[in-house]
Amino acid sequence: GNSVTQMEGPVTLSEEAFLTINCTYTATGYPSLFWYVQYPGEGLQLLLKATKADDKGSNKGFEATYRKETTSFHLEKGSVQVSDSAVYFCALSSRSNTGNQFYFGTGTSLTVIP
Amino acid sequence: EPEVTQTPSHQVTQMGQEVILRCVPISNHLYFYWYRQILGQKVEFLVSFYNNEISEKSEIFDDQFSVERPDGSNFTLKIRSTKLEDSAMYFCASTNLAGGANEQFFGPGTRLTVL
Repeated sequence: GNSVTQMEGPVTLSEEAFLTINCTYTATGYPSLFWYVQYPGEGLQLLLKATKADDKGSNKGFEATYRKETTSFHLEKGSVQVSDSAVYFCALSSRSNTGNQFYFGTGTSLTVIP
Repeated sequence: EPEVTQTPSHQVTQMGQEVILRCVPISNHLYFYWYRQILGQKVEFLVSFYNNEISEKSEIFDDQFSVERPDGSNFTLKIRSTKLEDSAMYFCASTNLAGGANEQFFGPGTRLTVL
């Protein structure tokens, strides 16, 4: 079946530190992989995505590479800011003609302190 | 920028009562979803809805749950007789395209507390 395992939090970093949030998956077929972010009081927003092996998704300084050989999609950022404080969700989407179902990890809470 | 909205933001109810959670998806979207997240656990898929019918549902979505698009703009989730274990954050999502590569747009969630 499909599932996502995500690094547990909470994670607390100082501003300008390097961030890695680990995400691994199991899937049947060829899923697409996503990172969503949830800021306080808001909905889940797409941060980046990758639709096939070796694709790299990037946005706002965040990057993640779709690694089929290790079934991973780790999120990285070289220098975090206070404004990056949020909950980050790794997700995969199974392909379907009736509307794709998403499978999420538990979410990782990130707090960046000045 | 268009967004998915959900009401209420927080709902408190007594066990056994019916609740209706409301969502307004993005206006040109065709596929609609409900997910839930019990505190500390994964966000779980409940149901998808397309062309006025359920297209997929999970094991969680039993006879106590129903969905409806009553008026072409709202998309509702009804829980007929709430249980303590229904306490969770409920997220609505929508998209305008099927296929695994397409993002879903999520609302801010409704926190349901069953006492």
